[in-house]
Amino acid sequence: GAVVSQHPSWVICKSGTSVKIECRSLDFQATTMFWYRQFPKQSLMLMATSNEGSKATYEQGVEKDKFLINHASLTLSTLTVTSAHPEDSSFYICSATGFSYGYTFGSGTRLTVV
Amino acid sequence: AQSVAQPEDQVNVAEGNPLTVKCTYSVSGNPYLFWYVQYPNRGLQFLLKYITGDNLVKGSYGFEAEFNKSQTSFHLKKPSALVSDSALYFCAVSRGGRSNDYKLSFGAGTTVTVRA
Repeated sequence: GAVVSQHPSWVICKSGTSVKIECRSLDFQATTMFWYRQFPKQSLMLMATSNEGSKATYEQGVEKDKFLINHASLTLSTLTVTSAHPEDSSFYICSATGFSYGYTFGSGTRLTVV
Repeated sequence: AQSVAQPEDQVNVAEGNPLTVKCTYSVSGNPYLFWYVQYPNRGLQFLLKYITGDNLVKGSYGFEAEFNKSQTSFHLKKPSALVSDSALYFCAVSRGGRSNDYKLSFGAGTTVTVRA
């Protein structure tokens, strides 16, 4: 079946630094990727939708300059949390869809900003 | 706008008993409905989906769900729960159609605890 690899699975960074999270579709071409944020014991909040080769579409209230999304190829999307602060600490999950219908999720990245 | 409601924050059942996790949805047009399970600090694992066809959908790990259009529901069921089914369950909906970039909207999640 379709597999999405997300790295790193966890990261600790200092306040003010930037962190990049990668999301790769291993065995299919991901025409669209989604990035979510999840707070403890809460649902997934969609942050942005990205289509290969075009700019990401951000949900209302999500700072596009804070959360940079790049979807340069059909198998890779990256989320960069710029100038991270403790309030950015969260669980980030990517999801990808390809030419056949279905959403496949990555395993998530636990970001802790200290 | 589309939305999903999971009315129960928690469901507790004894091992071997039937498990039901409730979900109702709202979406314009025909819905695509999904159930996912999440274990601590992990991504979402796909259980099953309804796109079209038979209202009773069978999925992974013995789970099934029934699409009820008149009640706009898509409840998840398992005839005999296992302790290993203890996890966080999410129902999700997207607008039906040929596009792959339709957003998924998630319910708030239901924590299932199966006691031995």
